[in-house]
Amino acid sequence: SAVISQKPSRDICQRGTSLTIQCQVDSQVTMMFWYRQQPGQSLTLIATANQGSEATYESGFVIDKFPISRPNLTFSTLTVSNMSPEDSSIYLCSVSSGTWNTEAFFGQGTRLTVV
Amino acid sequence: GENVEQHPSTLSVQEGDSAVIKCTYSDSASNYFPWYKQELGKRPQLIIDIRSNVGEKKDQRIAVTLNKTAKHFSLHITETQPEDSAVYFCAASTGRNYQLIWGAGTKLIIKP
Repeated sequence: SAVISQKPSRDICQRGTSLTIQCQVDSQVTMMFWYRQQPGQSLTLIATANQGSEATYESGFVIDKFPISRPNLTFSTLTVSNMSPEDSSIYLCSVSSGTWNTEAFFGQGTRLTVV
Repeated sequence: GENVEQHPSTLSVQEGDSAVIKCTYSDSASNYFPWYKQELGKRPQLIIDIRSNVGEKKDQRIAVTLNKTAKHFSLHITETQPEDSAVYFCAASTGRNYQLIWGAGTKLIIKP
């Protein structure tokens, strides 16, 4: 199993500013994923972050808006840049141990409100 | 690409009755099918999963069935209890990039 500490748990931000979300895992993991979840909705994958390489972004998400860092096998950050009210959502990080099709573990989420 | 459809979006059952949630997937290469439970304000957590080499798996009151020919899989919860109230998500994976393709979710309501 993997235990993920995600910070902050919630924040209220002014439009035009940026917020960096951190995820710390208690073990080394190959793959880290960043999701967005609107209230009452499913999980939408933003990007996949591998250590030592650039993140891979899904359609509709770009690096300039959601820069990601993955400096080592236990840590990653997602920045939401130049925020607008449409960015208000829950952001979740998730990890997979990298073994074929094993359980995905999630951070507790960051509830972001942009005013 | 892979697509996962989940039904129903909301399911209300009497406490003690059974609940069934169904998902269909499009990519025949999918070989891993987990189910996650997300309580209000909490993170999703795995409750059961099944791989393509088995047709059914049980864990106490929870079971998952897989029909590879029809490309659908279902979650069965028997003897439902109030603590089963949550949103349930199905997912499918081919193993490529370890990504999960998620269903839209089912809000399960257990009526006392």
